[in-house]
Amino acid sequence: QQQVKQSPQSLIVQKGGISIINCAYENTAFDYFPWYQQFPGKGPALLIAIRPDVSEKKEGRFTISFNKSAKQFSLHIMDSQPGDSATYFCAASRDGTSYGKLTFGQGTILTVHP
Amino acid sequence: DAGVIQSPRHEVTEMGQEVTLRCKPISGHNSLFWYRQTMMRGLELLIYFNNNVPIDDSGMPEDRFSAKMPNASFSTLKIQPSEPRDSAVYFCASSPWTRSYNEQFFGPGTRLTVL
Repeated sequence: QQQVKQSPQSLIVQKGGISIINCAYENTAFDYFPWYQQFPGKGPALLIAIRPDVSEKKEGRFTISFNKSAKQFSLHIMDSQPGDSATYFCAASRDGTSYGKLTFGQGTILTVHP
Repeated sequence: DAGVIQSPRHEVTEMGQEVTLRCKPISGHNSLFWYRQTMMRGLELLIYFNNNVPIDDSGMPEDRFSAKMPNASFSTLKIQPSEPRDSAVYFCASSPWTRSYNEQFFGPGTRLTVL
């Protein structure tokens, strides 16, 4: 019930291409879905987040698509750049009772070739 | 703002030794989280605190692991005795959590190697 499943484990994209990472969750009480980005040697940092009252959120080249009925959400990176090469984690939480606890997916290592 | 501060950044120790990892959260944040990251297991939540009180330690792998938060500006994660399988990167994160805002700010991590 608390799991968040993320795929693929790794992804290689050419510069300018679209990177797509998918996540699925089980707990219908989750109401906050962030994506974190981690560069080598650094801690993860919040990239973009969505709540289930909207189906899509866009910030620059990064877009979250959310499908509440399917209990799935995905990160799309348009015009992928070598600087986007990092590990991406999806996560989910329940506001109100979680004190900020996030359930993270397993992570996706993205490599963007020049 | 200095962000979340962790020390040491790197720790190499021998099996059986006690290891203490330290974390200073961002001032004003009310929640603090300890994570362990490995290639095999990804990012695992070990324990988290709210207002210095431990909320959930179900992620602590064994009794060899303990964590404290004596005040709002300091937390420790202790491993005693350490084992080679404890080798990992340990992250501390803090959050100014409210019912409508939930972002965690991660420290740079401590890379622990147990020989």
